[in-house]
Amino acid sequence: EVQLVESGGGLVQPGRSLRLSCAASGFTFDDYAMHWVRQAPGKGLEWVSGISWNSGSIGYADSVKGRFTISRDNAKNSLYLQMNSLRAEDTALYYCAKSFYGDYVPPFDYWGQGTLVTVSS
Amino acid sequence: SYELTQPPSVSVSPGQTARITCSGDALPKQYAYWYQQKPGQAPVLVIYKDSERPSGIPERFSGSSSGTTVTLTISGVQAEDEADYYCQSADSSGTHWVFGGGTKLTVL
Repeated sequence: EVQLVESGGGLVQPGRSLRLSCAASGFTFDDYAMHWVRQAPGKGLEWVSGISWNSGSIGYADSVKGRFTISRDNAKNSLYLQMNSLRAEDTALYYCAKSFYGDYVPPFDYWGQGTLVTVSS
Repeated sequence: SYELTQPPSVSVSPGQTARITCSGDALPKQYAYWYQQKPGQAPVLVIYKDSERPSGIPERFSGSSSGTTVTLTISGVQAEDEADYYCQSADSSGTHWVFGGGTKLTVL
């Protein structure tokens, strides 16, 4: 059974940093691309970032480019999102999602339950 | 930045057909994907590559594409289909993935 478990969320002040993690199990992690998708409270889905199976292709939404960094450790079956210079508008539930393919293209066929990030002073 | 446009809400009675549209300039060149999200739950993929249905998704879910508009059709809607539905696709560069604003399907 595919499982994606996010962690690392919490309350953080504007301008500070936070690192999210996603522990994957139930599939061959290094065969598939992975993504982060966020959802602000009461709002829609927003793709944040994606990374191919071998980290050779990486992409970011314009809203986070230059502030967030995605990475993966295939030996540890883990996905990460380093978030710097956080803003109030980054407040959201952050989902880890598995791609159907090795390249960082949709669809996203499995999702975690999310970790909540709240940016507030 | 690229946008996909969905109607905010669609309402149907049980047993009827629901159609949810998604419009975007790059849709003639890029595949579309559809996700269902129920309250308090993570999204679930229901359609990929415009019209393909993942295993485990009921046959009443189908997708189609015509020009700059893609459509998710739910035939014989059931109460359990009440949810938010999001389309997803790429911008013209094919490197940025965008979601539509979401459509709340209400089963009357």
